[in-house]
Amino acid sequence: QKEVEQNSGPLSVPEGAIASLNCTYSDRGSQSFFWYRQYSGKSPELIMSIYSNGDKEDGRFTAQLNKASQYVSLLIRDSQPSDSATYLCAVGVLMFSGGYNKLIFGAGTRLAVHP
Amino acid sequence: SQTIHQWPATLVQPVGSPLSLECTVEGTSNPNLYWYRQAAGRGLQLLFYSVGIGQISSEVPQNLSASRPQDRQFILSSKKLLLSDSGFYLCAWKPQVTLSYEQYFGPGTRLTVT
Repeated sequence: QKEVEQNSGPLSVPEGAIASLNCTYSDRGSQSFFWYRQYSGKSPELIMSIYSNGDKEDGRFTAQLNKASQYVSLLIRDSQPSDSATYLCAVGVLMFSGGYNKLIFGAGTRLAVHP
Repeated sequence: SQTIHQWPATLVQPVGSPLSLECTVEGTSNPNLYWYRQAAGRGLQLLFYSVGIGQISSEVPQNLSASRPQDRQFILSSKKLLLSDSGFYLCAWKPQVTLSYEQYFGPGTRLTVT
């Protein structure tokens, strides 16, 4: 059973600080990794994707991938109260028997940014 | 650009009643479509996926069913709802290209079974 693990939180950080969200996955063959942001009562929104080892930066967001350690992280610099949400880690899995692919989601980490 | 719609946005149904939730996608052709359920405070559970009209596969056994009568329409149904069917139902789409994994979600339907 392929799994994606996240600390449920809440992770509380002060405004302006760096928030660090972590995720581990079990399928060593996974090649695609994603972070979704989900505001309370809303649907998930894709904010970052990463495919290669190392860092990928997009504005205040940086995704980090370490395939050897099966570890993905999301850093949010200069955190704002508007960043308060649940962040879902997702890992792409290719289902050879069905000829399709799917995402395995972690349960999410709740981030609270306080003024 | 592509947009995905779901309706209704909110639904309250008694136990034993039928269910029909609809999802439509605009601005793309032959998408892969997915139905997820998110229970309160829980992760996303994949229920059904579809790679084309009439092609439906189920991830978990349950009293729900899905249909895809048109290329960009995906319907989730039940003949008799259970209390455990309560949750946030999300439809998602992605391009048909196998090596593409990114999924994009609709606004969701919040179902309460009473």
